[in-house]
Amino acid sequence: DAKTTQPTSMDCAEGRAANLPCNHSTISGNEYVYWYRQIHSQGPQYIIHGLKNNETNEMASLIITEDRKSSTLILPHATLRDTAVYYCIVRVYTGANSKLTFGKGITLSVRP
Amino acid sequence: EPEVTQTPSHQVTQMGQEVILRCVPISNHLYFYWYRQILGQKVEFLVSFYNNEISEKSEIFDDQFSVERPDGSNFTLKIRSTKLEDSAMYFCASTRGGSSYEQYFGPGTRLTVT
Repeated sequence: DAKTTQPTSMDCAEGRAANLPCNHSTISGNEYVYWYRQIHSQGPQYIIHGLKNNETNEMASLIITEDRKSSTLILPHATLRDTAVYYCIVRVYTGANSKLTFGKGITLSVRP
Repeated sequence: EPEVTQTPSHQVTQMGQEVILRCVPISNHLYFYWYRQILGQKVEFLVSFYNNEISEKSEIFDDQFSVERPDGSNFTLKIRSTKLEDSAMYFCASTRGGSSYEQYFGPGTRLTVT
């Protein structure tokens, strides 16, 4: 699986959009971008995934650049409960057996 | 909303003892996983399981570890002879398969080996 690079940490104000960047310059054509988050030692939580088109669900939006070498997870209206470690994972979509390889992620702190 | 459950939430054991960590995956899911996270470190893959056999395992998953799906609902991780370095959070995850590959994680079991 391709390697990802994320900043160590960032913060944003409650109610504002949080834009979390991720670089995956070695991504290959059959690899998807996944985002998970982990709130204070709880189990990781799936957020969203995409291949090349932008994706949106009830939790977040995922913007993938045209060359697919980077992406941004957007939390449109961050709340205090969004404070967590966010993981950007690039993963081959060959089957459900495929494991997740977690990096250090980015720690998002949402301030009041 | 269905969720993955794990028991116990915290297990304390002495070095050399056997422990069994239990998980109940989401009911219509077919693929099961164990991950662990040593305090302050990354989440690490241990093993994946499908159709009653191991699909993939990491280097961490040595002969001291085993997994089992003893019935239609439980998925267990056994550590035969625990070491101090096995102290970690252990997370179970499951996924439905088919066109859905998102993994859903349980709340974890904190294993403390003394």
